[in-house]
Amino acid sequence: EAGVAQSPRYKIIEKRQSVAFWCNPISGHATLYWYQQILGQGPKLLIQFQNNGVVDDSQLPKDRFSAERLKGVDSTLKIQPAKLEDSAVYLCVSARLAGGAGELFFGEGSRLTVL
Amino acid sequence: GQQVMQIPQYQHVQEGEDFTTYCNSSTTLSNIQWYKQRPGGHPVFLIQLVKSGEVKKQKRLTFQFGEAKKNSSLHITATQTTDVGTYFCVRSQGNLIFGKGTKLSVKP
Repeated sequence: EAGVAQSPRYKIIEKRQSVAFWCNPISGHATLYWYQQILGQGPKLLIQFQNNGVVDDSQLPKDRFSAERLKGVDSTLKIQPAKLEDSAVYLCVSARLAGGAGELFFGEGSRLTVL
Repeated sequence: GQQVMQIPQYQHVQEGEDFTTYCNSSTTLSNIQWYKQRPGGHPVFLIQLVKSGEVKKQKRLTFQFGEAKKNSSLHITATQTTDVGTYFCVRSQGNLIFGKGTKLSVKP
């Protein structure tokens, strides 16, 4: 089966600019997560969707980050305006089962560098 | 809180030596997952443990879930250079919380 698709793979912007990342999860996977992974650290959950509804966005910096999954399939993550500390890899993850009960499938990630 | 503590943070071994990473939680876990992330790559699922005291093996890898379901371990026997990477335990209870990971380096 096709994996989780993410784009762009790399993005370099200046602080205060905006950026958007796109994710297409594995077909049929209802659960989609966005994680932020800063170099040398473990992935940090930003937001979890179940179909097109938000399950958990408690760690999403809502003053600058937003995410949507309008039709319960593709998702976009936006940062506006970006800060230096947003430099990280943004991982999109899909899961067939809800509630973390099964295997997670990771995309290759979108590496953001904020200058 | 909801964190899982992983130790050690780094481990350097000579090829052929054994390696163990530990994951601890202050609260009972419904299940725990383990992932491996190669340098420059993304995390890849290794295994999920659900039952108290469960032990699972994958070739040279042995995974354990504690009797109280508050800790877990991953043991690699006779490490190889292909084992290099960061190993994460993941608390999966509603949402998914990653430990900080143990970075393994193997000297040939």
